[in-house]
Order: sequence, then C-alpha cells, then structure tokens
Amino acid sequence: NSKVIQTPRYLVKGQGQKAKMRCIPEKGHPVVFWYQQNKNNEFKFLINFQNQEVLQQIDMTEKRFSAECPSNSPCSLEIQSSEAGDSALYLCASSPAGTANERLFFGHGTKLSVL
Amino acid sequence: AQKVTQTQTSISVMEKTTVTMDCVYETQDSSYFLFWYKQTASGEIVFLIRQDSYKKENATVGHYSLNFQKPKSSIGLIITATQIEDSAVYFCAMREGGSGSWQLIFGSGTQLTVMP
Repeated sequence: NSKVIQTPRYLVKGQGQKAKMRCIPEKGHPVVFWYQQNKNNEFKFLINFQNQEVLQQIDMTEKRFSAECPSNSPCSLEIQSSEAGDSALYLCASSPAGTANERLFFGHGTKLSVL
Repeated sequence: AQKVTQTQTSISVMEKTTVTMDCVYETQDSSYFLFWYKQTASGEIVFLIRQDSYKKENATVGHYSLNFQKPKSSIGLIITATQIEDSAVYFCAMREGGSGSWQLIFGSGTQLTVMP
C-alpha cells in the first residue's frame, strides 16, 4: 500500500474555479514530484521540490499552476483557474534522496474533472 | 532531448506464459537509469525493476527481468510465469544521470491482460 497520501481522491470543478490538491510524502522523503497523467496515460512532469525548495518546474506550472511544500505541512498543487484541458490524474511521488538512480514512490493520485 | 517510446499499446497472454514488453529510449547522456513501473486498475503505481546504463548484466527481480540492449537503446521487460494479478499498464521510464536531471520521463504504457 502506498505511503504517499494524496487528498482528495476525486475533485470536480467548474471552469475558472480553483482546484487544490494535497500530498503527504512518505516519511523521510525530502524530494517530492508532481506529475499530470492524461486519459491517454501520458505523464507530464509539472514540478518537484527538495524539502521546501523548487528544483525544476515546467512553463505551464509557472502560469496557472502553483505548488508548495511547506515545512511540517502537506505539499500542495493548486490550479488558479481550471480549464477543461486540466482534467487528468494528478500524481504526487516522493523519493528518499535526490539521486538519479532513486525510484519514486507514488500516491494514488487526485482525479480532477473540470466541467 | 530525452524520449521514451513504447509501441505496444496492449498485449494479451495466457496465464503462466512469458511475455515481453518493448521500450526504446533516446538520450544524449552517457549515464542514465531505466525503470519499469506498473499501474494497476485501482490507479496504484508500483516500481518493478531498474537497469543502470553502466551495468552490462540484465537486472532481475522475482519474475521480472530486463533485456537491456544498449546499442539499440532498448530495454525490454520480461515477465515469466504470468499471473492474473499481473494484468496492469506497464510503463517504461528513464532518468539521465547528469547533474540537475530530476525528471523521470515515461513512455505511454502497455496494457497487459493475463487471461486464465
């Protein structure tokens, strides 16, 4: 069973509404990733953190998307103004170290539907 | 640029047989790491096995093994003695070993159905 906890499991929003999802990484994992998986199973990297600092993020994330991983609080990903194209499964993953050979531990995801 | 390609959209096999799933990758880096994950019907994504580019030996874990053909930029996943529970979507992924390379690049997945 996944030890990366994502809430909520399902999120339904209207276009233009804010959508916020949370992630608690596995204990002791300082590195957190957010991915978007579309209905064609394609993964898109959004952003990642080491502790509270952003390591990398894509351009899309810099506009309508915002994310943070505050100390002693869940990480979060927020879409400021949802669009139909944002409907997808949002996956949070963590890893114990920031090394390239380290595997990721995934949460069950938050399925966002934008009506 | 990094790229991972899985050309097999879906595969069906009979239980207890062996199946191979293909994956080819593109990278400019001399050091990289290749992963296979599976995503179950419930959406859970589970790590299966990893191959380091500098290792010549094919990785093996349980009934999963890899066919690493570096000159062809190919990393096939072999599942022996398949079970019904192996039915899932299997993803190949790659991460470059250079500094600052944090992204794990995924293929589009292969749906495996194991029939009784």
